Amino acid sequence: QSALTQPASVSGSPGQSITISCTGTSSDVGGYNYVSWYQQHPGKAPKFMIYDVSKRPSGVSNRFSGSKSGNTASLTISGLQADDEADYYCSSYTSSNTLVFGGGTKLTVL
Amino acid sequence: QVTLKESGPALVKPTQTLTLTCTFSGFSLTTTGMRVSWIRQPPGKALEWLARIDWDDDKLYSTSLKTRLTLSKDTSNNQVVLTMTDMDPVDTATYYCARMGYDLYFDFWGRGTLVTVSS
Repeated sequence: QSALTQPASVSGSPGQSITISCTGTSSDVGGYNYVSWYQQHPGKAPKFMIYDVSKRPSGVSNRFSGSKSGNTASLTISGLQADDEADYYCSSYTSSNTLVFGGGTKLTVL
Repeated sequence: QVTLKESGPALVKPTQTLTLTCTFSGFSLTTTGMRVSWIRQPPGKALEWLARIDWDDDKLYSTSLKTRLTLSKDTSNNQVVLTMTDMDPVDTATYYCARMGYDLYFDFWGRGTLVTVSS
């Protein structure tokens, strides 16, 4: 199972919005609504941010939103804040009954 | 509240078998829909899903690693054990266990344990 494709890095200024893409195939992202997103600060465990493509768990800021079109899922962060600077990973269920992560995207807040 | 904690050796030699234990609290693996996964992350690299065990004892493994991985659970002690055979330096990574819900997302994570493979 190949990793999902994410941009290596994105950046934005405080207050701006950014979008991180996560591209797979019809056997994973495109075939199921089991896409989730995780935020990871350096030296920390990942934090659960989005599930089922666009749902936010309790406690996650509504500045974080998710969507999907075809084989590509996206995470949008609006009103960028300094603490949003982190690595972000997408994950998807696959037709092989396994799970796969994306390669990760480093978000820099300028 | 839900917590998970990984334990095991920090250093293993090439060709040895690694055994990691995930001890959790705040939920039961006898509850329908509950699952626990193992994920690893080599230094400076991306997350990689390894394996998953479900409430009904169903076990799923990464396609690329399934010949080397074995999962088991001890529901009375709230533990999940992962063994990985024939360890290699490329297996050096932080190993995480995470709880999964029915909808296949990782909602609670342990802090991870760094395993170094070196002679």
